[in-house]
Amino acid sequence: KAGVTQTPRYLIKTRGQQVTLSCSPISGHRSVSWYQQTPGQGLQFLFEYFSETQRNKGNFPGRFSGRQFSNSRSEMNVSTLELGDSALYLCASSLAPQGVSVYGYTFGSGTRLTVV
Amino acid sequence: AQKITQTQPGMFVQEKEAVTLDCTYDTSDQSYGLFWYKQPSSGEMIFLIYQGSYDEQNATEGRYSLNFQKARKSANLVISASQLGDSAMYFCAMREASGYALNFGKGTSLLVTP
Repeated sequence: KAGVTQTPRYLIKTRGQQVTLSCSPISGHRSVSWYQQTPGQGLQFLFEYFSETQRNKGNFPGRFSGRQFSNSRSEMNVSTLELGDSALYLCASSLAPQGVSVYGYTFGSGTRLTVV
Repeated sequence: AQKITQTQPGMFVQEKEAVTLDCTYDTSDQSYGLFWYKQPSSGEMIFLIYQGSYDEQNATEGRYSLNFQKARKSANLVISASQLGDSAMYFCAMREASGYALNFGKGTSLLVTP
């Protein structure tokens, strides 16, 4: 059974550029969420999609956006990159659409973004 | 306010010994789930164990067990018989029934020595 696939694994971008990261969830998982991990702030929730709808968004500026396609694959986009956007971006997929359950979240290996 | 608190930035344990990683949480929800994840240097978050707020028994998964003390809002991870491959960052996380996100603690770095 394939896990959560994130591409690319590594990215180097210049300030001011924009970037798109991709996440393919486990087959059958319709919920995809994104997290940013930095040494200073730790793991922070970006947004969550279920059946192509954004259900919740974390406290990030509008430069961070995302979408989910009909096959549940998700992309997140960061425009006008800043040095502080350098981070590990993790995607997680879940079988359970809402509420609390043992299914939990399966994470991908992440995309490590470096902004120079 | 911080919902998940992990007070141990770093821990050392000798191979084959048991170790407890602390986690306290804060929520007003009655329904919530608590998770522990392991993150090796490769970056992937690996699910270890889950405890639901209504579960009466402490969760166990192989060498991992969760010491759940609901009244104290504590969900400590116990790793028995530590192995060198257990060296990694460990994160405690909570999802409230009213939310869609996992709230993570700052993590504990565990180093297992021979």
